[in-house]
Amino acid sequence: AQSVSQHNHHVILSEAASLELGCNYSYGGTVNLFWYVQYPGQHLQLLLKYFSGDPLVKGIKGFEAEFIKSKFSFNLRKPSVQWSDTAEYFCAVNPASYTGRRALTFGSGTRLQVQP
Amino acid sequence: DAGVTQSPTHLIKTRGQQVTLRCSPKSGHDTVSWYQQALGQGPQFIFQYYEEEERQRGNFPDRFSGHQFPNYSSELNVNALLLGDSALYLCASSLARSSYNEQFFGPGTRLTVL
Repeated sequence: AQSVSQHNHHVILSEAASLELGCNYSYGGTVNLFWYVQYPGQHLQLLLKYFSGDPLVKGIKGFEAEFIKSKFSFNLRKPSVQWSDTAEYFCAVNPASYTGRRALTFGSGTRLQVQP
Repeated sequence: DAGVTQSPTHLIKTRGQQVTLRCSPKSGHDTVSWYQQALGQGPQFIFQYYEEEERQRGNFPDRFSGHQFPNYSSELNVNALLLGDSALYLCASSLARSSYNEQFFGPGTRLTVL
């Protein structure tokens, strides 16, 4: 079974600071990788996804993530955060196979607080 | 284009009771997955329905059951509620024949068990 670790549980940054949130997964096969965001009072939204190809993927709102296969990592980055980025961020994986078994495994989340 | 909708928004039950939560998938989607999100935790997979059958199940007891209807909507039923069942229950929809499994989430149902 796969598992996902997010090492930063709570991150506090000032506006314009750079962000990097760690995500490591454990799985023996090929995976699809996702970052979801949950803004206060809102539902989970997809930030970005990786299925194959270029390991550097760009998502919405200036976020990007890099898949490093050798490190089983998919870290989320943003060069300059804004107050509106305050939210909970979740890394998730699922097996990259068309078998119908597509459950997402989520990390425990990182709460990002951006101070104006 | 309607997204994933869930009802009710909030629900308060007492221990031992039974509850039914409902989900309508995003237009064009045929697969529904249910997740439980406890406070301060990431969502945990409960089960997934496709073609009105349970296709995959997470590590949840039989008290958790579900159903998918011909119009792809779905229900989650929880029997004999425990205090620990208090959580946000999320429904996600996707398209089975898609090469990728991009799941779209609904706003969730907040269940409180007293």
